[in-house]
Amino acid sequence: DAGVIQSPRHEVTEMGQEVTLRCKPISGHNSLFWYRQTMMRGLELLIYFNNNVPIDDSGMPEDRFSAKMPNASFSTLKIQPSEPRDSAVYFCASSLRGAGSTEAFFGQGTRLTVV
Amino acid sequence: DQQVKQNSPSLSVQEGRISILNCDYTNSMFDYFLWYKKYPAEGPTFLISISSIKDKNEDGRFTVFLNKSAKHLSLHIVPSQPGDSAVYFCAAKESNTGKLIFGQGTTLQVKP
Repeated sequence: DAGVIQSPRHEVTEMGQEVTLRCKPISGHNSLFWYRQTMMRGLELLIYFNNNVPIDDSGMPEDRFSAKMPNASFSTLKIQPSEPRDSAVYFCASSLRGAGSTEAFFGQGTRLTVV
Repeated sequence: DQQVKQNSPSLSVQEGRISILNCDYTNSMFDYFLWYKKYPAEGPTFLISISSIKDKNEDGRFTVFLNKSAKHLSLHIVPSQPGDSAVYFCAAKESNTGKLIFGQGTTLQVKP
């Protein structure tokens, strides 16, 4: 398996533009997480899906952020309109929720820069 | 409200010595605790975990200790190697939701 795949790896956009980040989880995994890494807060959980259903989106900063998981093999995180303070590295992770440790596997991240 | 806290942003140790990274949590509903390592420009990778019903788990040079009464866990690396230099994240899994919550991270530097 290729692991969790995120695209693009880097995104530079102008303030006010729409940004869409994409994630393909590991095949067979039933949980998917979107995180944002910042210096102040470390890895901040934005939203968590289980079996394609959003379970907890309390970490989504504001209405400009939205996430979808139309099927078990694809998820998107959209920011519209984007602002300079959204600049960060965004990670997607997937796991198999069940008995046991259930560690999550991360993608390589998308570095977003909003100018 | 940070449920998982790593209060030391950075740690520097000499090669061959012990590295001790600390983590505190507030939620009693966590059933697993995990440590991840992250190199620059890469995603975090799983290192070691511990169930809430245990107090110690060892894997080679890495040992995680859990003190439930103090809501505290630590990662010990012995002996430390320069290749261990990375950012280490502590994480906790909620038993009822499966949600994985991370701390702020600690940057470890192991000097040759």
